[in-house]
Amino acid sequence: LAKTTQPISMDSYEGQEVNITCSHNNIATNDYITWYQQFPSQGPRFIIQGYKTKVTNEVASLFIPADRKSSTLSLPRVSLSDTAVYYCLVGPTGGGNKLTFGTGTQLKVEL
Amino acid sequence: NAGVTQTPKFRVLKTGQSMTLLCAQDMNHEYMYWYRQDPGMGLRLIHYSVGEGTTAKGEVPDGYNVSRLKKQNFLLGLESAAPSQTSVYFCASISAGDVSSYEQYFGPGTRLTVT
Repeated sequence: LAKTTQPISMDSYEGQEVNITCSHNNIATNDYITWYQQFPSQGPRFIIQGYKTKVTNEVASLFIPADRKSSTLSLPRVSLSDTAVYYCLVGPTGGGNKLTFGTGTQLKVEL
Repeated sequence: NAGVTQTPKFRVLKTGQSMTLLCAQDMNHEYMYWYRQDPGMGLRLIHYSVGEGTTAKGEVPDGYNVSRLKKQNFLLGLESAAPSQTSVYFCASISAGDVSSYEQYFGPGTRLTVT
């Protein structure tokens, strides 16, 4: 599975847009980029997944440049409840494939 | 739909004791996984199963055994607990039909302390 690099922590204030970038230089042709969110004392929760260009859902947007060596998770107008650890994962899709979690990015949102 | 549930939520063991963690899912998923998460770290895969009656080793399988006798249940066993196994254990599942998705569904976790 492609190794990923993301910032250890980020701070923001309520109402701001937060962008978390993940580097994955060795991404393979059949790899997808997936982001999970984890609140304290809870299991990770799927946020968004993409292959190229831009993907948007009700929670976030995912921007992937043409070379796919990096990706950016964008959270619009964060609130205190967005304080969590965000994981970037890269790998082939399919239920039989195994997820590899790095240490993630700890996002702290303040008033 | 309860999703993925884990039993127990908390447990304290003495070194050398054994126990079994139960994961149950009601989504008819084929694939199930057991992870451990140590403080300040990401999740590491212990064992996984791609179907009833099948299991496979993950990244950190030593000291653990698993069984998948029923499709909806995935058991994680510790035969002789060690302090190094103090961790939070998460179970997850995904449907084999989700060939274009990476969306695993996670349980709430079991916090295990071995003294």
